[in-house]
Amino acid sequence: DAGVIQSPRHEVTEMGQEVTLRCKPISGHDYLFWYRQTMMRGLELLIYFNNNVPIDDSGMPEDRFSAKMPNASFSTLKIQPSEPRDSAVYFCASSFLLVPKGVDYGYTFGSGTRLTVV
Amino acid sequence: TQLLEQSPQFLSIQEGENLTVYCNSSSVFSSLQWYRQEPGEGPVLLVTVVTGGEVKKLKRLTFQFGDARKDSSLHITAAQPGDTGLYLCAANNFNKFYFGSGTKLNVKP
Repeated sequence: DAGVIQSPRHEVTEMGQEVTLRCKPISGHDYLFWYRQTMMRGLELLIYFNNNVPIDDSGMPEDRFSAKMPNASFSTLKIQPSEPRDSAVYFCASSFLLVPKGVDYGYTFGSGTRLTVV
Repeated sequence: TQLLEQSPQFLSIQEGENLTVYCNSSSVFSSLQWYRQEPGEGPVLLVTVVTGGEVKKLKRLTFQFGDARKDSSLHITAAQPGDTGLYLCAANNFNKFYFGSGTKLNVKP
């Protein structure tokens, strides 16, 4: 398996524009997580899905953020309109289990999308 | 305020030295994980500890979960340049997930 695949790797956009980040989880993983990483706040969980259904979106910062998982092999995180404070690295992760039980049963992270909003 | 406090924030040592990094909280967790993250990549899970007092070893890395399941430590013996990276602890509590801010380790050859 190629692991969790995120695209694009880098995105530079102007304030006010719509940004869409994409994620392909590992086949067979039932859980998909979206995280945001910044120097100031570290890694923050934004939302997670179980079997394509959003379970907890309490970490989504505001209504400008939305996430979808139309099928088991694809998810998107959309920011509309984008703002400079959204600049961060966004990670997608997938897992068999909600809570890791070990290396073989833990989260696999993608390589992230570095978003810069100018 | 971070729920998981990691210390130190930065650590720069010479190859061959030993080191310990800490992950502390006032909350009790059902399990705790340690990750290593290299620049430009996502975190990679190293270990999960679930039982108070549990000790797990992964080659030169030793992980311990506190008796009260509120804290954890990671000890590296004879550090190597390949150990360089950001070490993150993470924990879950009632299906809420938290990451510490990390310890950035640099091992100089």
